[in-house]
Amino acid sequence: DVKVTQSSRYLVKRTGEKVFLECVQDMDHENMFWYRQDPGLGLRLIYFSYDVKMKEKGDIPEGYSVSREKKERFSLILESASTNQTSMYLCASSIPGQNNSPLHFGNGTRLTVT
Amino acid sequence: AQSVTQLGSHVSVSEGALVLLRCNYSSSVPPYLFWYVQYPNQGLQLLLKYTSAATLVKGINGFEAEFKKSETSFHLTKPSAHMSDAAEYFCAVSDQSNYQLIWGAGTKLIIKP
Repeated sequence: DVKVTQSSRYLVKRTGEKVFLECVQDMDHENMFWYRQDPGLGLRLIYFSYDVKMKEKGDIPEGYSVSREKKERFSLILESASTNQTSMYLCASSIPGQNNSPLHFGNGTRLTVT
Repeated sequence: AQSVTQLGSHVSVSEGALVLLRCNYSSSVPPYLFWYVQYPNQGLQLLLKYTSAATLVKGINGFEAEFKKSETSFHLTKPSAHMSDAAEYFCAVSDQSNYQLIWGAGTKLIIKP
């Protein structure tokens, strides 16, 4: 069965800390995505990657960076966490080149920045 | 630019009643349309998708959605609600030129006993 695993369900960090959110998928998918989910705003794309070492900015990349050193792992980095980055973060993966290919999501990481 | 509008941030129905969750989209090209469901404390999972094969699409857990081009709608329905359907539902659209999804704001479905 398909599996996308996010390393932490809940994280509490202090303002200014560097934060790493890890995501691993076991489906050999080329595409991986990081979204943030906020009430009333749906999902907003932060970054995505089509292949190892490849990354593209999404709609709200400011304050974030990503790393994809291996196909199965896609990390989201908050260089200096701020309170407005308190949110639910969702990782997803999909098969490339198919517009009807569904996204497979992890269970999310709820990050609180104090 | 594409956009997705879900009418109603919260919808409340009684157990056994019809579920209707509304989704309207704007797209300059024939779209791909999706409904995803998010149960409490979980990620999203695909409920159903429209890819131009048939206008009435059946999904998991008894849900279905009908693509109406003239109304630019893709409303989600279920004849009889169960308590287990309580969740947040997201409509999403992608066009055929890129595969980034545009998401609606979500609708929380509340089931009254």
